[in-house]
Amino acid sequence: AQSVTQPDIHITVSEGASLELRCNYSYGATPYLFWYVQSPGQGLQLLLKYFSGDTLVQGIKGFEAEFKRSQSSFNLRKPSVHWSDAAEYFCAVGAGSSYKLIFGSGTRLLVRP
Amino acid sequence: SAVISQKPSRDICQRGTSLTIQCQVDSQVTMMFWYRQQPGQSLTLIATANQGSEATYESGFVIDKFPISRPNLTFSTLTVSNMSPEDSSIYLCSVEVASQETQYFGPGTRLLVL
Repeated sequence: AQSVTQPDIHITVSEGASLELRCNYSYGATPYLFWYVQSPGQGLQLLLKYFSGDTLVQGIKGFEAEFKRSQSSFNLRKPSVHWSDAAEYFCAVGAGSSYKLIFGSGTRLLVRP
Repeated sequence: SAVISQKPSRDICQRGTSLTIQCQVDSQVTMMFWYRQQPGQSLTLIATANQGSEATYESGFVIDKFPISRPNLTFSTLTVSNMSPEDSSIYLCSVEVASQETQYFGPGTRLLVL
């Protein structure tokens, strides 16, 4: 069965520091992978997605993610975090298409001034 | 992408009552979905809202508790029936933009049941 693991419940980084949020998935074929961000009191906003091709994908707000099949991972990165990046980040996997997304438990990012 | 709105944005309800949440999208879409996000938790798919036919419910969710309507390709409603405090959650509507194979989410409805 498909599953998504986000091992870090909370992460705190200083403003201007780099960021990496981890995501591991379980799926038999090449999955469709997504990162969404949920700011306090808001819905989910799509940051980026991977379907196929180049394993390094660029998203909005300066985020990028790298698909590593050998590690079943799709980690999210940002070289320099801004205070406005404080939010909950969700990794999700879709089976063959985005239909029926399976979400990870989320990682809450706190940004120190 | 798609622009999605939900009404109400939040509500406080008494146990035993029902609340209907509306989801409106700015373009015609085939697939619409309803998710629940319990406090401090991730998202769980409740059902797929099918236009012209009954919704498809995920394991653990039943039509009597969460009736769904989908009268056309831009609108859907989710009703939370006979509410209890355990129904306090954020309910999110999403749509799939077929050409992008991507789901976009509405802002959510924050429900508190007393």
